[in-house]
Amino acid sequence: KAGVTQTPRYLIKTRGQQVTLSCSPISGHRSVSWYQQTPGQGLQFLFEYFSETQRNKGNFPGRFSGRQFSNSRSEMNVSTLELGDSALYLCASSLSGKWDEQFFGPGTRLTVL
Amino acid sequence: AQSVTQLGSHVSVSEGALVLLRCNYSSSVPPYLFWYVQYPNQGLQLLLKYTSAATLVKGINGFEAEFKKSETSFHLTKPSAHMSDAAEYFCAAGTASKLTFGTGTRLQVTL
Repeated sequence: KAGVTQTPRYLIKTRGQQVTLSCSPISGHRSVSWYQQTPGQGLQFLFEYFSETQRNKGNFPGRFSGRQFSNSRSEMNVSTLELGDSALYLCASSLSGKWDEQFFGPGTRLTVL
Repeated sequence: AQSVTQLGSHVSVSEGALVLLRCNYSSSVPPYLFWYVQYPNQGLQLLLKYTSAATLVKGINGFEAEFKKSETSFHLTKPSAHMSDAAEYFCAAGTASKLTFGTGTRLQVTL
């Protein structure tokens, strides 16, 4: 069974640009969660999607948004990039969310210059 | 809001020695608790999880953790460290779909 895949693995953008990251969950998984990992703030929850609906949301500004498609693939968008958005963005999938094991992808390393 | 505290950002042990990584949670209701491991340039891998079924939880790679409600702790242990255990370890609380993570403990294993 293929694991969680994230594309691209590395991305370099400049301030003010926008970026879209993609996550393909494990086949059959309907819940996709996104996390931001930085040296200063650690791992922080961004949001979770289940059956194309945002089910949980962390404390991030509206510049961070996401969506989920009918095949459970998810995208995360960050608009008007800031230097502080440089981070490793991790996606995790699980069968239905709440009490199931989350499987993490390798992450997308975003660098904002 | 839940918070998770990991004492010690870096822990160094000798190969074969006991590994003890500390985690305390802050919650009036014991949450679900997890330990994850992250190897360089990789995502997180679940080591074990506490879901109230048993206070001593056994995980993969010889790790285990004991839930102590009176101490609000969920420390991770392994009797004998191996070089391959060198990685960063994260304690987390919450539901599987929304986790609050500790700041992580980097484990170094020396010969």
